[in-house]
Amino acid sequence: EIVLTQSPGTLSLSPGERATLSCRASQSVSSSYLAWYQQKPGQAPRLLIYGASSRATGIPDRFSGSGSGTDFTLTISRLEPEDFAVYYCQQYGSSPPDTFGQGTKLEIK
Amino acid sequence: EVQLVESGGVVVQPGGSLRLSCAASGFTFDDYAMHWVRQAPGKGLEWVSLISWDGGSTYYADSVKGRFTISRDNSKNSLYLQMNSLRAEDTALYYCAKDGRIAVAAGYFDYWGQGTLVTVSS
Repeated sequence: EIVLTQSPGTLSLSPGERATLSCRASQSVSSSYLAWYQQKPGQAPRLLIYGASSRATGIPDRFSGSGSGTDFTLTISRLEPEDFAVYYCQQYGSSPPDTFGQGTKLEIK
Repeated sequence: EVQLVESGGVVVQPGGSLRLSCAASGFTFDDYAMHWVRQAPGKGLEWVSLISWDGGSTYYADSVKGRFTISRDNSKNSLYLQMNSLRAEDTALYYCAKDGRIAVAAGYFDYWGQGTLVTVSS
């Protein structure tokens, strides 16, 4: 089983700043099958990124994903007020897909 | 517009059974694999189960294997999760989620329902 570790646990930033969230896998994620989700309180998760770097439909271009192998990053170039939420990474390179990271909470500083 | 609407969540006693449903619309249901993902109160996300587009293949998380059964009725655009031998640790919000790739499951989730709450308590 691949274990995903997200860091930091909580990230405190101000609107307009750049956010960098990390997701590290315990073993290589095949074919960069790594997704990122955003979840706001009381809402379902929303897909942001799949395939490590492909933005999902309707996702603003301030969100970008990068990485391969065991190290992946979600970057939000300039934080908007609506971006403060919890972010999860998920690997789906193994079958079945069974691994989410524990989440990073992005909070307003 | 893709819509996924879950139902069936209630309070149930340990050892009890429950069937969750998910009504899908806004896409060609039988083109996609479907998943159940759950979230315990205040906790992270846990993938539960996957069913292929035609129902011919099913997969389960180790934590539910042998107790839960996923199924679908493509004529009704509906997904189901039969939950037996429920335990306190099954208490969670259960989400229905659409797979992100047509035909062969990719394993990521591009649309989610709002969830239905299952509480296992005596």
